[in-house]
Amino acid sequence: AQSVTQLGSHVSVSEGALVLLRCNYSSSVPPYLFWYVQYPNQGLQLLLKYTSAATLVKGINGFEAEFKKSETSFHLTKPSAHMSDAAEYFCAVSDNTDKLIFGTGTRLQVFP
Amino acid sequence: GAVVSQHPSRVICKSGTSVKIECRSLDFQATTMFWYRQFPKKSLMLMATSNEGSKATYEQGVEKDKFLINHASLTLSTLTVTSAHPEDSSFYICSAKGPSEKLFFGSGTQLSVL
Repeated sequence: AQSVTQLGSHVSVSEGALVLLRCNYSSSVPPYLFWYVQYPNQGLQLLLKYTSAATLVKGINGFEAEFKKSETSFHLTKPSAHMSDAAEYFCAVSDNTDKLIFGTGTRLQVFP
Repeated sequence: GAVVSQHPSRVICKSGTSVKIECRSLDFQATTMFWYRQFPKKSLMLMATSNEGSKATYEQGVEKDKFLINHASLTLSTLTVTSAHPEDSSFYICSAKGPSEKLFFGSGTQLSVL
């Protein structure tokens, strides 16, 4: 069975500050890992995904995530937050890239 | 880029009635679509996998007679919540497998059953 835990349902940062959204996974098989972003009134958009290639994955909008097997983590980071980054972020795990198991989401707020 | 349109975005209905939610892939063909449900402060839960021209595959614990899925064309899948009750109130979201095997999501439907 697979599962995902996102620590912190809400994260607030100042504009220009580091963004760190935490995600830990559980999987009995080598996982595929994803980060999605959902802006208000829009569908989920794929930010980045890990599929057993490079452990540091770069995504869109300056986001990146590092797969750490020893820590079973796939935390999402961005060096400098923008106001436009305010959204809901979902971490997800899969064993075949089709059926996704989502975390509960983290709402990111960015203050000026 | 690929777009998935989900309609309606919000629906309120009386208990006992049925509600249909549509999921359309606007600029690509999707042989496979997925339906998710999300409760407040909970994660998205996969309900079923919809395959064009065949019966949907439901996840364990999801009532197939309650949540009817029809994927009649390569661009349209529908989810019908039959005889809706207040406990069916939730956020429903679809996704479609598009170009390069990527998943594209609709913007979701908030269902409120009175």
